[in-house]
Amino acid sequence: IAGITQAPTSQILAAGRRMTLRCTQDMRHNAMYWYRQDLGLGLRLIHYSNTAGTTGKGEVPDGYSVSRANTDDFPLTLASAVPSQTSVYFCASSLRPGQGAVFGELFFGEGSRLTVL
Amino acid sequence: GENVEQHPSTLSVQEGDSAVIKCTYSDSASNYFPWYKQELGKRPQLIIDIRSNVGEKKDQRIAVTLNKTAKHFSLHITETQPEDSAVYFCAAKRGGGADGLTFGKGTHLIIQP
Repeated sequence: IAGITQAPTSQILAAGRRMTLRCTQDMRHNAMYWYRQDLGLGLRLIHYSNTAGTTGKGEVPDGYSVSRANTDDFPLTLASAVPSQTSVYFCASSLRPGQGAVFGELFFGEGSRLTVL
Repeated sequence: GENVEQHPSTLSVQEGDSAVIKCTYSDSASNYFPWYKQELGKRPQLIIDIRSNVGEKKDQRIAVTLNKTAKHFSLHITETQPEDSAVYFCAAKRGGGADGLTFGKGTHLIIQP
């Protein structure tokens, strides 16, 4: 693989079910992010991780959790999905300060389209 | 936290004309301002960015200007072409900040033939 990979590409889910969106990058970027994209609302940050073992809350974290066990993987979990979580989810990664960059370009995955019924 | 406002939400221009998209930000500590282009069904991709120590930056038909005093920045596309049709997002962050970019809500640019 090259770059950042998300899975699944698309998923329909019943409300109340648990769902994990997977994200893997092979660029050795320390920083990773999850955004959701909704029409008219742009891209909103859900959670981020500055380095393996640490995570932080973004603008819209409620109902979502993340983990960062290693540099490459950053899964996003919906513990009990609700219809308002219907969205396109983008994982992204970047260099962070200390990796040779002060300002990090975000590299996005292809996105995961999630529909909660 | 940072808040980024973007206007207009939709912009339609004739092919060959120029397009301007404007953004304002709230956090005076922000010093990195990228622009992303997202084609239909694709991922956002960086097209140009500017740091706060620079007032203007050009890359072929694309330019970005920054006014730190007024806390606004703009994207200028000249000689627009059909392939410029897309959604454009501005964003802002504090350099060194670990919490990612704050995006505007996006501008749908339509190039009319």
